[in-house]
Amino acid sequence: AQSVSQHNHHVILSEAASLELGCNYSYGGTVNLFWYVQYPGQHLQLLLKYFSGDPLVKGIKGFEAEFIKSKFSFNLRKPSVQWSDTAEYFCAVSLDPSGTYKYIFGTGTRLKVLA
Amino acid sequence: GAVVSQHPSRVICKSGTSVKIECRSLDFQATTMFWYRQFPKQSLMLMATSNEGSKATYEQGVEKDKFLINHASLTLSTLTVTSAHPEDSSFYICSATPPSKETQYFGPGTRLLVL
Repeated sequence: AQSVSQHNHHVILSEAASLELGCNYSYGGTVNLFWYVQYPGQHLQLLLKYFSGDPLVKGIKGFEAEFIKSKFSFNLRKPSVQWSDTAEYFCAVSLDPSGTYKYIFGTGTRLKVLA
Repeated sequence: GAVVSQHPSRVICKSGTSVKIECRSLDFQATTMFWYRQFPKQSLMLMATSNEGSKATYEQGVEKDKFLINHASLTLSTLTVTSAHPEDSSFYICSATPPSKETQYFGPGTRLLVL
């Protein structure tokens, strides 16, 4: 069965530290890839997405992600985190983009940034 | 743009009663809406896919008679939890996709507590 793995469940960083959150998926076909963020008490917001083209995708708030097809990975990065980045981050994969566009979500990573 | 609302945000009900949750796309027409359930400290689990004017498609293990979904217009989908029991207590989240279908936009969620 298709799955999405986020290996880091909890991450604690100090402000200005660099961030990389891993996301791997198991599916051999064409995929669309997404990172969403859920701030405490708020709804999921789209950070960035990859459909095709340049595998390095830049999103909002200084986040970027790189799609490495050979590794089935779509890791999220930010060079310097801020206290306001404290949130839960979800990787999602949409299989068969020509079809139903259903998402499979990863388990999420809780990021805490210490001021 | 791409705002999705849910109502109510929180609901408490007695065991055996039914609860209706509304999901609205406020500034776009949503040909497809999705309903998710999120358990504490876990990821989002897709319950069903709802297309305007047709029957919802339920994921494996989700009881269609328990969770009734209606997508009567391009801006409104409803989820009715029938004969609710304490184990139905959860956070229910909807998402909607515009006609391009590529990206889901999420509502703020509804917290259901069944006593």
